[in-house]
Order: sequence, then C-alpha cells, then structure tokens
Amino acid sequence: DTAVSQTPKYLVTQMGNDKSIKCEQNLGHDTMYWYKQDSKKFLKIMFSYNNKELIINETVPNRFSPKSPDKAHLNLHINSLELGDSAVYFCASSSTSGGSYEQYFGPGTRLTVT
Amino acid sequence: KQEVTQIPAALSVPEGENLVLNCSFTDSAIYNLQWFRQDPGKGLTSLLLIQSSQREQTSGRLNASLDKSSGRSTLYIAASQPGDSATYLCAVEETSGSRLTFGEGTQLTVNP
Repeated sequence: DTAVSQTPKYLVTQMGNDKSIKCEQNLGHDTMYWYKQDSKKFLKIMFSYNNKELIINETVPNRFSPKSPDKAHLNLHINSLELGDSAVYFCASSSTSGGSYEQYFGPGTRLTVT
Repeated sequence: KQEVTQIPAALSVPEGENLVLNCSFTDSAIYNLQWFRQDPGKGLTSLLLIQSSQREQTSGRLNASLDKSSGRSTLYIAASQPGDSATYLCAVEETSGSRLTFGEGTQLTVNP
C-alpha cells in the first residue's frame, strides 16, 4: 500500500555510465516531481510533470532526462554520470484538482558515483 | 526568486520541553506552506500543510502557524519526546502543482 515508491533505493555506479531511477505513485495524483538533495541536505526541484506533460524543467544538465509514460509513473534517466551527480533523488506527487494539495515523497534513491 | 530560511539550524532540548521552529520566506505570494520531517537516511514525511488562506493547522502535539503578509511560519512542538529528533523542513509552494522551495532545515535533538 506504498503511496510513492522508487527503485532502486541505492545505486552505486562508475563515472560515465548511464542509469535510470523509477518512480510510481498509487495515489491517483496528476502531478509528479523529481527533487535532488545534495550533500548539504538541501532539497531542490529538478522537474515536474502534470498529466504526462513537462511543466517544470529547472537548470539541470541535459544529461538528465525525465520520462512519464503515464500519470502514475515518472522515471529519471541520467547519461554519462559524473561525480557531482552523487546525491539523494526524491520523487514526489500531488493532486492539483482538489484535495489537500500536499506533496507526498518517496523514500529516495541514494546515488553514488565513483 | 523565492528564498526560504529556517532558524535555528540546529536545536537541542531536554525531553518534555515545548519548542518553536521558525521559517521565513521572501515572496509572500504563496499558495501553501508545508512542514516536513526527515529522519536520517530516510524520506520526507509530511507533517502539516497550511493553505494561504489559513492561519494555522494542528495535528496532535504539532501546531503550525502562517503569517503570509510578514512571510513567516512557525512550527510549535509541545511536550517534546526523543522520538521527535529529526530534521524539520519548511517548504512553500507558489501555485498549485508547482515546485516546493525548501529551507535548509532545523536539526532537532530531544535528549532523554
């Protein structure tokens, strides 16, 4: 009955590799987000999708590409990984069509690039 | 550009004490404000959401207030317990379905 789930939870990889992180929500929300939490624990938005349409695209290297196959899923693909990409990546979702408007967060994916 | 500041950055209190965490934001045109809790190595747990038209929200021992005009919110924790030890994050949303802009958090330690 997990609300927002992410896989994998931990990801250790070498520089230059390509990797993907998957996110799924079963809350019926129409908007999904990717946030990055850096080593100083600061959380910052990367992308958001509403009904599969890209709404927010922050100043993120174009090595990062989000993909939303449907409203319940938002995946993050990262090409040519760099040391500075090491962080915790959080997926979140919310409803913009009524309700509490809270953003619900997944457990995070800790990415370590060596 | 919205900026969110949380004071203090860290707080250590004895068990049973009432405490207040502070959050301020630079642009008062917000849609809502959300308080989260983050335990070490874990995700974010939503504690309270205050919509821009509201002044406060309560959940158990937690009470959050919002003064939109002055760009401030407080999170009041009554009768603190060691289990309350965590990092508390304040975040504002400017329009429905837009980004949350986070503060850097207050790391709370409640000593038994």
